[in-house]
Amino acid sequence: GAVVSQHPSWVICKSGTSVKIECRSLDFQATTMFWYRQFPKQSLMLMATSNEGSKATYEQGVEKDKFLINHASLTLSTLTVTSAHPEDSSFYICSASLRDRTTYEQYFGPGTRLTVT
Amino acid sequence: AQSVTQLDSHVSVSEGTPVLLRCNYSSSYSPSLFWYVQHPNKGLQLLLKYTSAATLVKGINGFEAEFKKSETSFHLTKPSAHMSDAAEYFCVVSDPPTSGGSYIPTFGRGTSLIVHP
Repeated sequence: GAVVSQHPSWVICKSGTSVKIECRSLDFQATTMFWYRQFPKQSLMLMATSNEGSKATYEQGVEKDKFLINHASLTLSTLTVTSAHPEDSSFYICSASLRDRTTYEQYFGPGTRLTVT
Repeated sequence: AQSVTQLDSHVSVSEGTPVLLRCNYSSSYSPSLFWYVQHPNKGLQLLLKYTSAATLVKGINGFEAEFKKSETSFHLTKPSAHMSDAAEYFCVVSDPPTSGGSYIPTFGRGTSLIVHP
């Protein structure tokens, strides 16, 4: 149980285009969903936190107009990279949290590799 | 405020020898603590979690970690390394959310485990 999927797993796009990444919790309803960015050989950098039906909370330094997050339901969140540029190339990972009685455990998607040419 | 320090960026061991990956944390509350593993170009998989119950936590694939409040540590160990254990390991801390707030996890920088035959 507690599976999170991401689609697509990898995408190549041209500079100036927009790309949408989907994150779905397959067998549970997620209290909160998180979007991370990871550069090679580095840790995960939290980009934003979103709760269903409300606006995402972006971390400092993350452009909310560039990285649009829509959390339409308890099982789906989308990240749209608008007007992508080569510096946006990265590994994007989402996670969904399931609040049990004692912990706020996260379940991670497999990640999406974005390459902007 | 919470923070996590993974003391080693790389740990190199021989197959069959013990593994120790160190993690120290700071937290104003009774935190939840997690260890995740990430294989190349993959998402994160939960190894184990501390939930304020038993201080010695057993996880998957023979890993375990001990929560030591006096030392603010949550080191990850395994008695005998296997080649398949070679991966990136992340220690994560999360405080309970304040009233009306969201739970925000904090990641360590990661430790790369290298296993020699």
